[in-house]
Amino acid sequence: GQQLNQSPQSMFIQEGEDVSMNCTSSSIFNTWLWYKQEPGEGPVLLIALYKAGELTSNGRLTAQFGITRKDSFLNISASIPSDVGIYFCAGQVVSGTYKYIFGTGTRLKVLA
Amino acid sequence: DTEVTQTPKHLVMGMTNKKSLKCEQHMGHRAMYWYKQKAKKPPELMFVYSYEKLSINESVPSRFSPECPNSSLLNLHLHALQPEDSALYLCASSQGLAGPLTQYFGPGTRLLVL
Repeated sequence: GQQLNQSPQSMFIQEGEDVSMNCTSSSIFNTWLWYKQEPGEGPVLLIALYKAGELTSNGRLTAQFGITRKDSFLNISASIPSDVGIYFCAGQVVSGTYKYIFGTGTRLKVLA
Repeated sequence: DTEVTQTPKHLVMGMTNKKSLKCEQHMGHRAMYWYKQKAKKPPELMFVYSYEKLSINESVPSRFSPECPNSSLLNLHLHALQPEDSALYLCASSQGLAGPLTQYFGPGTRLLVL
């Protein structure tokens, strides 16, 4: 199926460092969602973005909906060991359909 | 409350077995989804129900049969599965299908087909 380009694929960082990941596409989206998934669990919604240019924070997490509506980024500040997991972006296609396209995921490992 | 629950958490079945996965939400959402997720891959959409009617079937083999008994429940009936069907099966829900959507996922059922 369709997938968004998500980068980086994986990151190994030291505890306390900031993290940045992004999703890009050639298509326009009208909603972006960011999820975190831990092994054997379902994705947990972190941040939802509904308008181009929107910048939203959730604790140490900040995400932005790109002005062109074709991209989004997620930043994590001052990472901690429990930030470990796979982060997925998901974009809702513009036509207002039910469908979300998922990014390929960013695997984050935090070294204490 | 943004909880979607799924049972069972784990399931092992043979290729001749019949089993069912269950999903429940009490958020008043009118759209519910089944996704399949293989290891280290993003979720892949299988089915969408809107107001208890099947809206979308993403060309899923007939050995997977969804059912929506009411607005809070979603089942996935499994019959004559293949080993390659082993995966994490995720249920999700959203308020509806129109406009900006926020999808909430359940914890998943990890299925192993022997």
